[in-house]
Amino acid sequence: AQSVTQPDIHITVSEGASLELRCNYSYGATPYLFWYVQSPGQGLQLLLKYFSGDTLVQGIKGFEAEFKRSQSSFNLRKPSVHWSDAAEYFCAVLIYNQGGKLIFGQGTELSVKP
Amino acid sequence: DADVTQTPRNRITKTGKRIMLECSQTKGHDRMYWYRQDPGLGLRLIYYSFDVKDINKGEISDGYSVSRQAQAKFSLSLESAIPNQTALYFCATSDQLAANTGELFFGEGSRLTVL
Repeated sequence: AQSVTQPDIHITVSEGASLELRCNYSYGATPYLFWYVQSPGQGLQLLLKYFSGDTLVQGIKGFEAEFKRSQSSFNLRKPSVHWSDAAEYFCAVLIYNQGGKLIFGQGTELSVKP
Repeated sequence: DADVTQTPRNRITKTGKRIMLECSQTKGHDRMYWYRQDPGLGLRLIYYSFDVKDINKGEISDGYSVSRQAQAKFSLSLESAIPNQTALYFCATSDQLAANTGELFFGEGSRLTVL
């Protein structure tokens, strides 16, 4: 069955420090993978996506993610975190041939300390 | 104004009451979705609709029903609310192109509390 796992429920980093949020997926075919961000009181916004090609993808707000097929992972990174990055982050896999159905991970809440 | 608007944004109700959450969009998208968010569980798909005449169940449709009144409107109903339906509900939209690339456009959410 298709699934997405985000092992870390909550992460706290200092402002200016680097960040890595983990995501592991289970999917029988080549996955289409996504990271969404949910700021407090807001809906979800697409950060970046991977379909094929270069395994390192760039997104908005200075985020990047690397697809590693051998590890079934799609980890999100940012070299220097800003206080405004505090939010909840969701990894998702697209079940194509089902009209845009996304399977989401459990989410990782990011706190940023001064 | 938001492209995807959900009403109400917050609602407290009692067990057994009928509740409707409404979603309207100005993006001109044909596809609309209702998700439920619970802490530690992420977002789970309740129902989705590809057009006015097409409604599909998602992962957790039991206890819910939907109505696609028009291309721009998609409402979610709880016929008899129960406490474990307390959650944050999101409406999302996409068109075929966006759907095939996984990009959904979300509303700001409706927080429902069932006492």
